[in-house]
Amino acid sequence: QSVLTQAPSASGTPGQRVTISCSGSSSNIGSNTVNWYQQLPGTAPKLLIYDNNQRPSGAPDRFSGSKSGTSASLAISGLQSEDEADYYCAAWDNSLNGWIFGGGTKLTVL
Amino acid sequence: EVQVVESGGELVQPGGSLRLSCTVSGFTFSGYWMTWARQAPGKGLEWVANINQDGSGKYYVDSVKGRFTISRDNAKNSLNLQMNSLRAEDTAVYYCVRNMDVWGQGTTVTVSS
Repeated sequence: QSVLTQAPSASGTPGQRVTISCSGSSSNIGSNTVNWYQQLPGTAPKLLIYDNNQRPSGAPDRFSGSKSGTSASLAISGLQSEDEADYYCAAWDNSLNGWIFGGGTKLTVL
Repeated sequence: EVQVVESGGELVQPGGSLRLSCTVSGFTFSGYWMTWARQAPGKGLEWVANINQDGSGKYYVDSVKGRFTISRDNAKNSLNLQMNSLRAEDTAVYYCVRNMDVWGQGTTVTVSS
């Protein structure tokens, strides 16, 4: 059971804006930064957002992250078919002394 | 180019041992925390263990404590994961991760009789 909670699925049509949420607690998101990862089918995860809202080099600016209290969100604007993937949030947990992931959200582009 | 490459995954019997290795290039290995994460078939991601820059700090997920040992050799740019007393639930793709940012392609561990 994941300590960070994500909806198992989300969907949108091309061009639409979609938001994926990640809920945690004071020991993880509430006191540490959040990363977001994209995992395309059959491939390794790739860092999409770090430190809540920073994009690594190469990450499209259609992807943005935010954090408020013990929750974080990933927004994808101008949805494209190649965005169909699994998305995971992650944060360090001070109580567990380890990284924790959300259960993942499978994004379908209709 | 930053590269992280895992090796060592294979089929092993329950109760057996396996040693995973990760070799890196394209960055100063000794300057980064390193992590092992895993993904069971059809499941989500799970952090397994990480180690600080000089190897003096190590953290493990509860389910592997006492069975797995993470280590590094900064002179050889390599990270290792010694896995003992393997169980069926350890079956997964194991990823070597630099600082929770750069992921390798993974190596598959199957624990089955």
